[in-house]
Parts: sequence; structure tokens; C-alpha cells
Amino acid sequence: DIQMTQSPSSLSASVGDRVTITCRASQSIRGFLNWYQQKPGKAPKLLIFATSNLQSGVPSRFSGSGSGTDFTLTISNLQPEDFATYYCQQTHSSPRTFGQGTKVEIK
Amino acid sequence: EVQLLESGGGLVQPGGSLRLSCAASGFIFSSYAMSWVRQAPGKGLEWVSGIDGSGDSPYYADSVKGRFTISRDDSKGTMYLQMNSLRAEDTAVYYCAKESRYSYGQNYFDYWGQGTLLTVSS
Repeated sequence: DIQMTQSPSSLSASVGDRVTITCRASQSIRGFLNWYQQKPGKAPKLLIFATSNLQSGVPSRFSGSGSGTDFTLTISNLQPEDFATYYCQQTHSSPRTFGQGTKVEIK
Repeated sequence: EVQLLESGGGLVQPGGSLRLSCAASGFIFSSYAMSWVRQAPGKGLEWVSGIDGSGDSPYYADSVKGRFTISRDDSKGTMYLQMNSLRAEDTAVYYCAKESRYSYGQNYFDYWGQGTLLTVSS
């Protein structure tokens, strides 16, 4: 199985900050990498698919990049509604594993 | 509007069985792969099982293989997860998710249900 490792596991940031979350795959997944946002008590929400494609309706302050084994999610100009947990997911092969999550908290 | 509505969760004793349902609307159900994803209390997301649009290719996480069976009824727009030999570690909120495809293999989960809670305890 492909293991997905996110870093950091949590971070504290202020409104207006630029935040970067990284996701590393245990083997190459080419560009088969998605990012989700989850708020407490809610279902996950798709932010970015296939590494860098912004889902419809998602603000442009979210962006994704990477290839092979190393990927990043960047949130520029962090907003109050962005405080949540973020997960990466690979769909290169089954099982479609998720990273362990990165919790973005208010500083 | 795409809607996914899970049902069937509840309290089950270890070793017991339960069937979850996911009723879909707002899209051509038979054209899309679907998945189940679970989240244990306070933990991260775990993909459990998926099924393609034809229903011919179910696939499972190792943690549930041989105990869980995924299926779909396109005439009813509903996906199911039959769960047998349940264990305490199966306790979680179970979400169903619709899959879309960017290109071959590049699937993503673009819509999720609100989840249904399964508790396995004596």
C-alpha cells in the first residue's frame, strides 16, 4: 500500500498568513493527488484534485503543486473560515490512502 | 443538486452485522464510481471500499476485506455496504462519496454525504 505522510501534523497561524502543508507519498503517484478540507462535525470538502486543479467554488487563495512523491497545499492570505483539518489523498492505486491530516489552528 | 444520504448506522455488538445505505440524487448515478470512507472518533479519514459505475469491480481496504461487501443498485440510485463480523475498531462515522474522474486513474471525491455513525460495542 502507498503511505501518505503529511507535515506538519498541526500548525498555528494568523489571519493573513501564508500556510504550506506538505504531503509525501511512499512511492511515486505521478499527479494522482487530491486535497480535502474538513471542519469539526462536517464531511470533508474537496479543495484540489489532480495535484493542482481547483474545485469549482473554492477560493483562489488555495493552490496545489508537486509531482512524483512530494506535494504541497498552499493557502495564501489565510482567512478565519480556513481554520480546519486538511487531508491529502492518493488515487494512483488501491487502497486510496489519505494522509493523517494537518490541523490548522488560530494563533 | 447532488445529494448523498447515508443511513443504517447504529449500535451493534462485536461479531454482529449491519448494512449501510447511501441514497444518491442529482446526478446520473450509474455513470459514476462511488466509495465509502470512514472516520473513527478523533481520528483521520480511512478509505474503506469503492465500486465502479458498472458494479463489476469492487475493491476494499485490507482492514475490511472478507468482512465487508460493497454493492450498488442503479435502479434505486443507492449504494450499500454490508458489514459482517464487526469489531470495536470498525466504530466510526461512515461517509459515502461520489467519484469523478479528471483523467484515467485521476479520480477524486467531489461530493460527500453527511455520514452515519456505527458503534460496535457490547
